[in-house]
Amino acid sequence: QPVLTQSSSASASLGSSVKLTCTLSSGHSAYIIAWHQQQPGKAPRYLMKLEGSGTYNRGSGVPDRFSGSSSGADRYLTISNLQSEDEADYYCETWESNTHAVFGGGTQLTVL
Amino acid sequence: EVQLVESGGGLLQSGGSLRLPCAASGFTFSSYAMIWVRQAPGKGLEWVSKISGRGTTSYYADSVKGRFTISRDNSKNTLYLEMDSLRAEDTAVYYCARLTSGWIDYWGQGTLVTVSS
Repeated sequence: QPVLTQSSSASASLGSSVKLTCTLSSGHSAYIIAWHQQQPGKAPRYLMKLEGSGTYNRGSGVPDRFSGSSSGADRYLTISNLQSEDEADYYCETWESNTHAVFGGGTQLTVL
Repeated sequence: EVQLVESGGGLLQSGGSLRLPCAASGFTFSSYAMIWVRQAPGKGLEWVSKISGRGTTSYYADSVKGRFTISRDNSKNTLYLEMDSLRAEDTAVYYCARLTSGWIDYWGQGTLVTVSS
């Protein structure tokens, strides 16, 4: 079963950019993942699906400030022109054999 | 507009049972697999269960296998999670979510289940 590893926290200044990382475990580097955002006190929200090639598809209504990229087993979420509302927890998701979902531990993003 | 609305949460004692409905609207419910995800207080997301669009196939996390049952009534556009033999560690907000091409693309707002020991 794949394991997704995320840094527990990150911070960046208002108006700047930040790159969050989700790393797939050994033997699973080709897996597709999805990114989700959870603002404080709210339900998660789907941001995008991200392939190993770096191709990504944003969800409906997701600003183009959010983009994805990949390198080997690493999957990245880049947020440009950071806004205060981007302060949230960010989770990556993947699946084992389309039967069992796996989530990363989440990254808490602070906008300074 | 896709909407998923969970209900049925509450406070109950260890060993008890609870059924959580998730009412879906804004899409052809039977065409989509659905899942339940939970989040313990202050913790991350944990996948609980998945069911196919027709309800013929289901899968469970090891932590709930044998205690929880996922089901759906496509005539009522409703997903269910039947939870038995509840434990304190089942305390969490429970979210239902829709899968599109195998990925979560919509989440409900969640319902809190608190199990006291």
